[in-house]
Amino acid sequence: DQQVKQNSPSLSVQEGRISILNCDYTNSMFDYFLWYKKYPAEGPTFLISISSIKDKNEDGRFTVFLNKSAKHLSLHIVPSQPGDSAVYFCAASEGSNYQLIWGAGTKLIIKP
Amino acid sequence: DVKVTQSSRYLVKRTGEKVFLECVQDMDHENMFWYRQDPGLGLRLIYFSYDVKMKEKGDIPEGYSVSREKKERFSLILESASTNQTSMYLCASSLSGTNWVEQFFGPGTRLTVL
Repeated sequence: DQQVKQNSPSLSVQEGRISILNCDYTNSMFDYFLWYKKYPAEGPTFLISISSIKDKNEDGRFTVFLNKSAKHLSLHIVPSQPGDSAVYFCAASEGSNYQLIWGAGTKLIIKP
Repeated sequence: DVKVTQSSRYLVKRTGEKVFLECVQDMDHENMFWYRQDPGLGLRLIYFSYDVKMKEKGDIPEGYSVSREKKERFSLILESASTNQTSMYLCASSLSGTNWVEQFFGPGTRLTVL
């Protein structure tokens, strides 16, 4: 039973427009959420995170929104650029047990 | 520039062989992790280590063991490889404390067991 779900395996967005990647979770005890980005033939790299005490965190073109009542978070990329084409993973943690629970990933394709 | 290296990018082994996957980090990180990534399942934690000679089981430790004799090196061992262990294996490291969630990954080893 997957505790973190990314229901869209892929997403295609025009360059310059907004990309919205979604993630749902089932465990209400999760208190920290992260997004990682992965290019082919490379390991994932940390992108942005949010604590459960916040509902928004922004870093340049990237914003993560957290809706705890809906157990939903989203990553907004504005404006989308060709270099943003990658697989994006959502991950969550509960306390400091050193275990991240990962979603299956969403492949983002930015069309020129 | 921080770096996590894995000994092989691609590996092909036969069923029943003992397989060693090596990971080295140069960031003096306390924590090291081994994951496997399979299509449709995301990353799943096999084992992690928070200090030299210390190890903890993750979600899927069956069929695997680990070794951490030095701080910079974390090895994953498949005692007797099976076809269902064909996968992408990713090593990661992180600092201790609240920063443990920001993990730095190696490029991965794609293991095929025939």
